[in-house]
Amino acid sequence: GQNIDQPTEMTATEGAIVQINCTYQTSGFNGLFWYQQHAGEAPTFLSYNVLDGLEEKGRFSSFLSRSKGYSYLLLKELQMKDSASYLCAVRRANAGNMLTFGGGTRLMVKP
Amino acid sequence: DADVTQTPRNRITKTGKRIMLECSQTKGHDRMYWYRQDPGLGLRLIYYSFDVKDINKGEISDGYSVSRQAQAKFSLSLESAIPNQTALYFCATAPGGSENIQYFGAGTRLSVL
Repeated sequence: GQNIDQPTEMTATEGAIVQINCTYQTSGFNGLFWYQQHAGEAPTFLSYNVLDGLEEKGRFSSFLSRSKGYSYLLLKELQMKDSASYLCAVRRANAGNMLTFGGGTRLMVKP
Repeated sequence: DADVTQTPRNRITKTGKRIMLECSQTKGHDRMYWYRQDPGLGLRLIYYSFDVKDINKGEISDGYSVSRQAQAKFSLSLESAIPNQTALYFCATAPGGSENIQYFGAGTRLSVL
């Protein structure tokens, strides 16, 4: 089976940096995705890692270590609109490339 | 207009009723998915389809069925709704290829009384 763990909630201050961790145990790993979901809305794609290292996209960066089963999403220069849930999802090649999602991390950004 | 459209957006029904949730897309993607989301449990895959003639069960398919009427349409049915099927339901689409990023509809909030 697979297990994906991420913190349930985090709080950070506007303008600061926050790191959201995701650990996973899975067979057939074939990529890790991060999605952002505002309350009651659709998840929207943020980033994708399949090789070890850091992927940077503006204020958001995502890191992957396959040997450690670990990823993080880094959000810089936090804005109030970044208050949302952040979903970590693992894709498995031995399961039709399906995504398995973690429970999500609810981030609250305070002024 | 949204690329992935779900109807209805909200639905309240009674135990035992049959209900259909619809999803249509204009992205031209072959792959379509149905998920449900419950608080604290994340998104769980119900069914998925890689083309019109392909239907596959996901993690939690019991009590659900699907129909892929065309490349652009993928419907989810609850044959006899029960209260623990109260959830937020999302449809998603994806192209083939190495990244296979999934794009989600706005969701259908379903309450079964």
